Amino acid sequence: ETGVTQSPTHLIKTRGQQVTLRCSSQSGHNTVSWYQQALGQGPQFIFQYYREEENGRGNFPPRFSGLQFPNYSSELNVNALELDDSALYLCASTHPGGSGEGYEQYFGPGTRLTVT
Amino acid sequence: GNSVTQMEGPVTLSEEAFLTINCTYTATGYPSLFWYVQYPGEGLQLLLKATKADDKGSNKGFEATYRKETTSFHLEKGSVQVSDSAVYFCALARNMNYGGSQGNLIFGKGTKLSVKP
Repeated sequence: ETGVTQSPTHLIKTRGQQVTLRCSSQSGHNTVSWYQQALGQGPQFIFQYYREEENGRGNFPPRFSGLQFPNYSSELNVNALELDDSALYLCASTHPGGSGEGYEQYFGPGTRLTVT
Repeated sequence: GNSVTQMEGPVTLSEEAFLTINCTYTATGYPSLFWYVQYPGEGLQLLLKATKADDKGSNKGFEATYRKETTSFHLEKGSVQVSDSAVYFCALARNMNYGGSQGNLIFGKGTKLSVKP
């Protein structure tokens, strides 16, 4: 039990719609990362938030955006959904550490998004 | 750029067999290396990690040694159980030396392991 929760568990949307996925991090974890895991693939880094600001981004277009809140919750928003956005979306929170060496990311169970 | 390559599956073994899942990486600097496991319908769980060359990570009978000379981090277990059936991901993260930014994980494609009784 990592203490990271995500909602909803499953979601079905139509192409062109917008979606918001939610994550609740462990208390005290001030860094949250979001990943996209397509079927049969490893997770791909979308972006990371630290103290409510974006702090690194992977190769994803601007229609993928996020928010992080002071209560350790966060959101992933995707606009203009495309069929290829169908995937498992994972959030991961990290305990604050000075050096970052050997840090550990705690993953939530994910949200399965299907775009039709 | 940074990348991780791991052996393709699926891997099917009988209970109590020896397991090796190969993982090699390409990275600038000195990354930390990880093995994550994903059980059916669940998120990722950290299995073990190593933060510098020659470190050995171990957990639940699994081991992996950080080999800088061969840029490898192969996962091994001497005797697998049915309950080890899952998808295993090798991953790396750059070590960051300033507060807050912990770097992102770069994953391999995963290796599905099935253990038969």
